[in-house]
Amino acid sequence: ETGVTQTPRHLVMGMTNKKSLKCEQHLGHNAMYWYKQSAKKPLELMFVYNFKEQTENNSVPSRFSPECPNSSHLFLHLHTLQPEDSALYLCASSQVSGYNEQFFGPGTRLTVL
Amino acid sequence: AQSVSQHNHHVILSEAASLELGCNYSYGGTVNLFWYVQYPGQHLQLLLKYFSGDPLVKGIKGFEAEFIKSKFSFNLRKPSVQWSDTAEYFCAVMHSGTYKYIFGTGTRLKVLA
Repeated sequence: ETGVTQTPRHLVMGMTNKKSLKCEQHLGHNAMYWYKQSAKKPLELMFVYNFKEQTENNSVPSRFSPECPNSSHLFLHLHTLQPEDSALYLCASSQVSGYNEQFFGPGTRLTVL
Repeated sequence: AQSVSQHNHHVILSEAASLELGCNYSYGGTVNLFWYVQYPGQHLQLLLKYFSGDPLVKGIKGFEAEFIKSKFSFNLRKPSVQWSDTAEYFCAVMHSGTYKYIFGTGTRLKVLA
C-alpha cells in the first residue's frame, strides 16, 4: 500500500449506531488531519494531530471523537450522528516542517439515516 | 477570519478552449498556495504549489498558476483543456510556518468533447 488509505470507503449508519473510520499513511509523515467535505461548502478541517498529539479541534461536536495511536494511523469514532453529518470524510497527512503539502486519502462516504 | 474565494463554481468549456480559474485569499501575511484537483471518483491530488521564488508556477498536465501578491490572487490557467480535465479544482492557502490549509469551495469544470 502506498500513500494514504482509508477504510471503509462507504458507510451507512443509523443515528444510534457507533462506527469508526480508519486512516493509514505510508509516507513517513508526522501530521495527520481529518476533513469533512460537504456539497457546496469548503473542505472543513476537523482535527489535526502532530506527532500523535491533537493540536487542533476545529469546534467539532463531541459525537466525533478522533484517536491517533501512532504517527501512521488515525481513527474517527462516530456515535449518535445526525443526518446533516452525512458527507465525505477525508484524511490527509503531511510533514509538519518544510514543504508541508498535504496528501489526501480517497475518503469515506458517510450516510446517516 | 481568513478565507479563500473561488468565484467560479461551475465552468463548462469545449476541448481546446483556454481555462482560467480564479482564486483570491484574504490573509495579508506570507502564504503558501496550492491547487488541488479531484477527478470523478478519485482522491484529491496536488496540481501545483507556490512557496517562494518565481510567481509563475508550472504544475502537472500543462497547468500553471500565477501568484499576484498585490491582488491576493493565485489563478489557475491552462491554454488548451482536454476532456480528461473534467474534475473539481480546489485552491488552498497555508499560512507560512503553519501546517493548516484553508480551502476554497471548489470549481467544478466540465470539458465537452
